[in-house]
Amino acid sequence: ETVMTQSPATLSVSPGESATLSCRASQSVRSLLTWYQQKPGQAPRLLIYDTSTRATGIPARFSGSGSGAEFTLTISSLQSEDFAVYYCQQYASWPLTFGGGTKVEIK
Amino acid sequence: EVQLVESGGDLVQPGGSLRLSCVASGFTFSSYAVLWVRQVPGKGLEWVSAIRASGDSGDPTYYADSVKGRFTISRDDSKNALYLQMNSLRAGDTAVYYCTKIANPGGYFYLDVWGKGTTVTVSS
Repeated sequence: ETVMTQSPATLSVSPGESATLSCRASQSVRSLLTWYQQKPGQAPRLLIYDTSTRATGIPARFSGSGSGAEFTLTISSLQSEDFAVYYCQQYASWPLTFGGGTKVEIK
Repeated sequence: EVQLVESGGDLVQPGGSLRLSCVASGFTFSSYAVLWVRQVPGKGLEWVSAIRASGDSGDPTYYADSVKGRFTISRDDSKNALYLQMNSLRAGDTAVYYCTKIANPGGYFYLDVWGKGTTVTVSS
């Protein structure tokens, strides 16, 4: 099983600043890495797939990078609606596995 | 509008059974692999099970080790429906269960549409 580890667990950021979230895989997942955003009481929302491709309707301030086992989600100029929990997930092998999440909170 | 709507969540005693359903609309359900993902309130996401479209290559169904042998995933393409039969339920199965689909027919397992979830509580 590929274990996904996200850091930090919580990130305190002021609106307008940028946020950098990390996701590490216990083995290479090539570029088969996706990011989701989840707000309280809502289902997850697809943000990024294939490491760096934004899903339909996702603003350009969200960007993904990385390869192999180290990945990053960057949110530039945080807006109020961006404060949420973010999860990475690998789909290179079964079982599908998620990271534990990073909560981006208002500083 | 593409939509997934779950139902069937309930309070059940340990050792009991429950069947979750998910009805899809707004897309060609039969062409897509669909999955169940669960989330303990306040905790992270855990993949539970997946079922491929009938025309896909590869194993038809997949299960997390934590549910293998107890849960059975199935689909009825004539009804645009996904099911999860849950037997021998444990307290650790308590969670919100989401129905979700892959983004592209026959493609990789990143998930573009999610239902709102249905809550399963296992407690005496």
